[in-house]
Amino acid sequence: DTEVTQTPKHLVMGMTNKKSLKCEQHMGHRAMYWYKQKAKKPPELMFVYSYEKLSINESVPSRFSPECPNSSLLNLHLHALQPEDSALYLCASSPRQGTDTQYFGPGTRLTVL
Amino acid sequence: RKEVEQDPGPFNVPEGATVAFNCTYSNSASQSFFWYRQDCRKEPKLLMSVYSSGNEDGRFTAQLNRASQYISLLIRDSKLSDSATYLCVVNKGNKLTFGTGTQLKVEL
Repeated sequence: DTEVTQTPKHLVMGMTNKKSLKCEQHMGHRAMYWYKQKAKKPPELMFVYSYEKLSINESVPSRFSPECPNSSLLNLHLHALQPEDSALYLCASSPRQGTDTQYFGPGTRLTVL
Repeated sequence: RKEVEQDPGPFNVPEGATVAFNCTYSNSASQSFFWYRQDCRKEPKLLMSVYSSGNEDGRFTAQLNRASQYISLLIRDSKLSDSATYLCVVNKGNKLTFGTGTQLKVEL
């Protein structure tokens, strides 16, 4: 089973709201990733967690705050977002950080008003 | 120069046609290579990994030429359901880098 789940599917929030995106996998993968994808563009890496520790932050603004409570869960906390942050947020996981294949969840489509 | 370059298309082909997509990458230290497929408003899904020896999965054949830093995907006997965006993906160390994708439309 190569399933990564994400909730919610859709999220609409105002610029002053605080919300969280959730990602879960039960494949025993030890690397998890957040990507952002704008329309007609490829996914862009935001964060990488390896063995529950933040490994890569691609200079993402602090209004995005990742959290990895355990090896199966990955959260992305959102606060004071801007309309240009509206995008599809994709979570992925792989057995290990490195060259392993990454499997993507269905994404959360975020709209910031 | 972009790290991973693809012809954006669209490629409009009739059902049953053979179509080939190409991709070049700039970092010679890249370690692993993939083709992902992405349907409109959906997540990318792994189509196949790409190896130097070439690999085939049904109607799909992928090739890697490390010397030329070139990756290809061949789709034979195209189906309507093959219509999607095909993303060339390169992994160096910890990071996947995606090409901008090539759009394929298979028509009756």
